[in-house]
Amino acid sequence: GDSVTQMEGPVTLSEEAFLTINCTYTATGYPSLFWYVQYPGEGLQLLLKATKADDKGSNKGFEATYRKETTSFHLEKGSVQVSDSAVYFCAPSDYKLSFGAGTTVTVRA
Amino acid sequence: ETGVTQTPRHLVMGMTNKKSLKCEQHLGHNAMYWYKQSAKKPLELMFVYSLEERVENNSVPSRFSPECPNSSHLFLHLHTLQPEDSALYLCASSVVGGGGEQYFGPGTRLTVT
Repeated sequence: GDSVTQMEGPVTLSEEAFLTINCTYTATGYPSLFWYVQYPGEGLQLLLKATKADDKGSNKGFEATYRKETTSFHLEKGSVQVSDSAVYFCAPSDYKLSFGAGTTVTVRA
Repeated sequence: ETGVTQTPRHLVMGMTNKKSLKCEQHLGHNAMYWYKQSAKKPLELMFVYSLEERVENNSVPSRFSPECPNSSHLFLHLHTLQPEDSALYLCASSVVGGGGEQYFGPGTRLTVT
């Protein structure tokens, strides 16, 4: 099945800093790619997705581009806020999701 | 109610107790999932139901017993648990053959004493 390697955390940033979380995957086919976010005390929420090569998913100021040549789907945000403090999960999916270990991001005011 | 709901949100049980976790989805989906989330470990997929049939059981101990009476409801029956079973149990739902995204409930925080 699919697998994913996600940048280890924790990551601590100041407000308005640039955030990148690296994600690479292995898959036999061409999976859809997802980023999920988990805020403290909550379940996972779908943040963004991309379904084919060169697609860019975006939501809440976050972006990620499906790079087939490098099998990557890195998450970026240009200016983080304290409210972005959460755990972020990268997940490819052929018929089911394969989650990475998650990256804990803390944004300080 | 909207989305995926789970009850109870918190549960403390002894090792000899029997309890059940409930999940309900209000999204019209036809696949449902149970995940276990333990501290410092990747999310573990436990069970998958597709069109009310169990299609995946990832070597989960028999002390966890899932039930899916219809496409909107999913239960996880618990008995004779161990302290290492303490975790956040997440339910999710999706559309069979859809885009692959799953929608999660808020989870049940289970503590086994």
